[in-house]
Amino acid sequence: GENVEQHPSTLSVQEGDSAVIKCTYSDSASNYFPWYKQELGKGPQLIIDIRSNVGEKKDQRIAVTLNKTAKHFSLHITETQPEDSAVYFCAASRGYGGSQGNLIFGKGTKLSVKP
Amino acid sequence: DTAVSQTPKYLVTQMGNDKSIKCEQNLGHDTMYWYKQDSKKFLKIMFSYNNKELIINETVPNRFSPKSPDKAHLNLHINSLELGDSAVYFCASTLRRGTEAFFGQGTRLTVV
Repeated sequence: GENVEQHPSTLSVQEGDSAVIKCTYSDSASNYFPWYKQELGKGPQLIIDIRSNVGEKKDQRIAVTLNKTAKHFSLHITETQPEDSAVYFCAASRGYGGSQGNLIFGKGTKLSVKP
Repeated sequence: DTAVSQTPKYLVTQMGNDKSIKCEQNLGHDTMYWYKQDSKKFLKIMFSYNNKELIINETVPNRFSPKSPDKAHLNLHINSLELGDSAVYFCASTLRRGTEAFFGQGTRLTVV
C-alpha cells in the first residue's frame, strides 16, 4: 500500500520568511496530492491540492510542486504570518475505488511562525 | 450549517465500557471515513464506506465497528474500551474517493 513520508516534523520561522514542507510517496499510481492545515482543537482543512497531470499550483501565498519522477511533492508558504502556525499534513491517493482511493497522510509538520 | 458534524466533542469513559460516536454530513457526499489521531498527531484511516463497500484497515481491532443508517451518517461503535483507544477520532466525507475530504471537528476520547 501507499506510504507517505513528511519532513520536517517541526519547523520554526520568523514572520515574513518562507516555509517549505516536503513529502515523498511510494505508490507510483497515486495521482492526487492534497495538503491539509490543522489548527488546535479543530479538524484538518484542505488548503491546496494538486493532481498528477500538473507540476505546480499556486494560490496566493501558498504553492505546491510535484515531481512525479522522484515521487515527491512540496508545500511552499511565502511571507509567513503568525496565523499560519498550525500542523500541516500532506496526503496521497490513487483517486479511485477501493482502498487505494483512500487518503494516506504523512505524519504532519508543526509550523511555528514567530512574530 | 456545519458540513461534517460529529458528537460528542469530548468523551470520558471507563475501561470495558461500550461507546458510540455519531457523524453526519450534509454535503451529499458518497463516501465517509473514520480516522484516528494519536498523541503524536498521526492521522490513520480506520474505515471508509460508501453504499457499495466497506473497507476496513486491517490493523483496526474488531472491537471497532462502523454503522451507517443512511448515506449521510456513519457512526462508530467501540466495544470493551481499552486505555490505548484514547485518541481523537475524526469523521470525514468525500464526494467520491480521491477527492477533497471534509473533516468533522473531532471527538476526544479518553479511557480511564
